[in-house]
Amino acid sequence: GQQVMQIPQYQHVQEGEDFTTYCNSSTTLSNIQWYKQRPGGHPVFLIQLVKSGEVKKQKRLTFQFGEAKKNSSLHITATQTTDVGTYFCTYGGSQGNLIFGKGTKLSVKP
Amino acid sequence: EAQVTQNPRYLITVTGKKLTVTCSQNMNHEYMSWYRQDPGLGLRQIYYSMNVEVTDKGDVPEGYKVSRKEKRNFPLILESPSPNQTSLYFCASSRIPRGTGELFFGEGSRLTVL
Repeated sequence: GQQVMQIPQYQHVQEGEDFTTYCNSSTTLSNIQWYKQRPGGHPVFLIQLVKSGEVKKQKRLTFQFGEAKKNSSLHITATQTTDVGTYFCTYGGSQGNLIFGKGTKLSVKP
Repeated sequence: EAQVTQNPRYLITVTGKKLTVTCSQNMNHEYMSWYRQDPGLGLRQIYYSMNVEVTDKGDVPEGYKVSRKEKRNFPLILESPSPNQTSLYFCASSRIPRGTGELFFGEGSRLTVL
């Protein structure tokens, strides 16, 4: 079935280090969305990428959509303790369903 | 305030006792959906609805029912809950009929089936 691989599953960093999570699909995606879920919270929308090769920035967060629209990444520069949480990618399937990556859980040591 | 409201937030029940988790959104969104979240498995879609009276199965629909009689409400029904349905459930809605774009999630409902 449709799926997207997200790596790594866990990432532990020292505050100030950079962090990157990747989503990879075997099929071409029309778009991809990224969400953040804080511990004990619910997922919150971060961004949507639509165009091939698209790069979007939100302060210290940089989102990229691959040229072939089969992969995407989220990069955080100089992590802070407020970045702790799980980051998910998701995309719309062909039937109107939504497929989520399993998420990357980020922990940040002060 | 724009929001998705789920109830109950926490529930402990016993095997076989029918229960309903309600979901309501006040944003006039077309698309609504239910997810379960389990450790190591991430978010998995149970059912979704692109409009009133239109519902479709997601990845893990077994043991669940939904209905969409009104645009704002999308209840999740467990006719005969079993322990493997112990999970954290989220309802979400989107302005986009196919669910892409920004999904607004409820606070979650933690269900334990004994």
